[in-house]
Amino acid sequence: AQTVTQSQPEMSVQEAETVTLSCTYDTSENNYYLFWYKQPPSRQMILVIRQEAYKQQNATENRFSVNFQKAAKSFSLKISDSQLGDTAMYFCAFMNWALVFGKGTRLSVIA
Amino acid sequence: DSGVTQTPKHLITATGQRVTLRCSPRSGDLSVYWYQQSLDQGLQFLIQYYNGEERAKGNILERFSAQQFPDLHSELNLSSLELGDSALYFCASSVAGLAGTDTQYFGPGTRLTVL
Repeated sequence: AQTVTQSQPEMSVQEAETVTLSCTYDTSENNYYLFWYKQPPSRQMILVIRQEAYKQQNATENRFSVNFQKAAKSFSLKISDSQLGDTAMYFCAFMNWALVFGKGTRLSVIA
Repeated sequence: DSGVTQTPKHLITATGQRVTLRCSPRSGDLSVYWYQQSLDQGLQFLIQYYNGEERAKGNILERFSAQQFPDLHSELNLSSLELGDSALYFCASSVAGLAGTDTQYFGPGTRLTVL
């Protein structure tokens, strides 16, 4: 069974700074997809970024980028120029059929 | 706004009761997924439907059931409710879900409180 581990329960960052959230996963599959979802205080689950395992190039979406290391089964999220609106729970997820989520990292952006 | 709608937003009920949660997927999406988010279990996949047929099952209790109708909306039925069923229930949808590679878009969730 696939598992996803987020080793940082809580993190904080100053506004405009850069922060990296860690995620590791375990799977025997070769083709799969990885996601980061954000859950702000509103509790809505919002897609942040997606990475296909067959692509070597790391995905980027504006201020959000990933460092995907397939051999190490690592999938970290970097947030640049952090904004107050980035304050949220961030979930790393692995998808084969359905999403398998990590336990989340609570990120606080401090003014 | 993801385009996925869920009703009701909040539901308060008593132990032993039965409730129905409703989800309408994004326009054009054929696949619907149900997830449960609780403090102790985190986010867990319950069940997936694709174009009216059950496609995959996760950690769904026997007291829970779901279906997807011809208009593609889905309902999650929870019966003989227990205190531990209190959670946020999310519906997500994707275009096909055939190979599990589609991006899933989440609805706003239904918060269920069992007293």
